[in-house]
Amino acid sequence: GNSVTQMEGPVTLSEEAFLTINCTYTATGYPSLFWYVQYPGEGLQLLLKATKADDKGSNKGFEATYRKETTSFHLEKGSVQVSDSAVYFCALTGGGKLIFGQGTELSVKP
Amino acid sequence: SAVISQKPSRDICQRGTSLTIQCQVDSQVTMMFWYRQQPGQSLTLIATANQGSEATYESGFVIDKFPISRPNLTFSTLTVSNMSPEDSSIYLCSVGGGSNTGELFFGEGSRLTVL
Repeated sequence: GNSVTQMEGPVTLSEEAFLTINCTYTATGYPSLFWYVQYPGEGLQLLLKATKADDKGSNKGFEATYRKETTSFHLEKGSVQVSDSAVYFCALTGGGKLIFGQGTELSVKP
Repeated sequence: SAVISQKPSRDICQRGTSLTIQCQVDSQVTMMFWYRQQPGQSLTLIATANQGSEATYESGFVIDKFPISRPNLTFSTLTVSNMSPEDSSIYLCSVGGGSNTGELFFGEGSRLTVL
């Protein structure tokens, strides 16, 4: 079945550092791919998405490219801020539902 | 987008009791989804609730433990029955974004602690 694997956290970075959170997937067919973010004390919200191979999703300085050849959807940001501290979830569609990775906690220090 | 309100936002419960979580959406939606997020783990789909029919449960979840109601197109409830400490989790209500891409909108969740 479809599944998602994320790099383990927590990830701790200094402000303005470069961020990569790895996400790889296993899927039949052509799923849509998502990154969700959960800020402290808040619900999950969609950060970005890509619906087909080679699509690049972007939002708030974050980017991720749907790589079918490597079955990956890595999240990147060139310069993180303290306000980016949150838990990030990679997800894909499968069987009519969303399947989530285990989440990666990011902590950005000033 | 959809605005989703859940109640309670958090609760501390005694073993053996039951608790009902309410989910209110600001627009009419066909399907509502209930997820569980156990401490330090990912989100797991419990069931899909369609208005006017019985909920569809995922493997490992049963109606007797997690009864769901869906009386109309903007409201649903999830009951966690006969709770044990293993049920301590965040329970999340979500609805589809309507774009057919699988995007979901989530409520802020209900954090349950079972003693």
